[in-house]
Amino acid sequence: DADVTQTPRNRITKTGKRIMLECSQTKGHDRMYWYRQDPGLGLRLIYYSFDVKDINKGEISDGYSVSRQAQAKFSLSLESAIPNQTALYFCATSEEQGPGANVLTFGAGSRLTVL
Amino acid sequence: AQKVTQAQTEISVVEKEDVTLDCVYETRDTTYYLFWYKQPPSGELVFLIRRNSFDEQNEISGRYSWNFQKSTSSFNFTITASQVVDSAVYFCALSEGRYGAAGNKLTFGGGTRVLVKP
Repeated sequence: DADVTQTPRNRITKTGKRIMLECSQTKGHDRMYWYRQDPGLGLRLIYYSFDVKDINKGEISDGYSVSRQAQAKFSLSLESAIPNQTALYFCATSEEQGPGANVLTFGAGSRLTVL
Repeated sequence: AQKVTQAQTEISVVEKEDVTLDCVYETRDTTYYLFWYKQPPSGELVFLIRRNSFDEQNEISGRYSWNFQKSTSSFNFTITASQVVDSAVYFCALSEGRYGAAGNKLTFGGGTRVLVKP
């Protein structure tokens, strides 16, 4: 099984619908992140969480919310999807300290299309 | 605010040619980390290298090499003797601060697509 698992891998939805993207990890990392990838823009940080009780906005959090249900689970919600939220979404984890700190382990991505 | 610029959006080469990907960064921190990630056509993101701001030594790993120059705020990546399997999008990224602080947040460049033709 993958270290970081995202579901669903692909989703097509309509404007105004609520969507949840889920992420679970077996790395035992405290830190989890949601990024969005758009062509030519690279990856941009939506939200991040340094532990279960810590949630922080990234650079593009408007229109999104998150929930850290457990150390291993971090979900991203779009309360009312709009077409410009069509993108590839990545969940990632990292260690807090040590040789693996700052190094993100990514999930396989969730491609979301909003019609 | 931190920023990463990858001016080359796409590079096309013939197999066995060398290819260099440019990365220029901006940061006000004296402690920071630079990264390269590879995204092959399958879509996953693969970590290639991390370099901290205090270590300006160049690094070589097989056909990959990295040139870090603080004087020009650049962290360039060279693939020597390119192969078709090197075809991918490559991202340069920057995180500021020390371990345990905000330093785990990465800012990515826009990516450079490399196409290696047989």
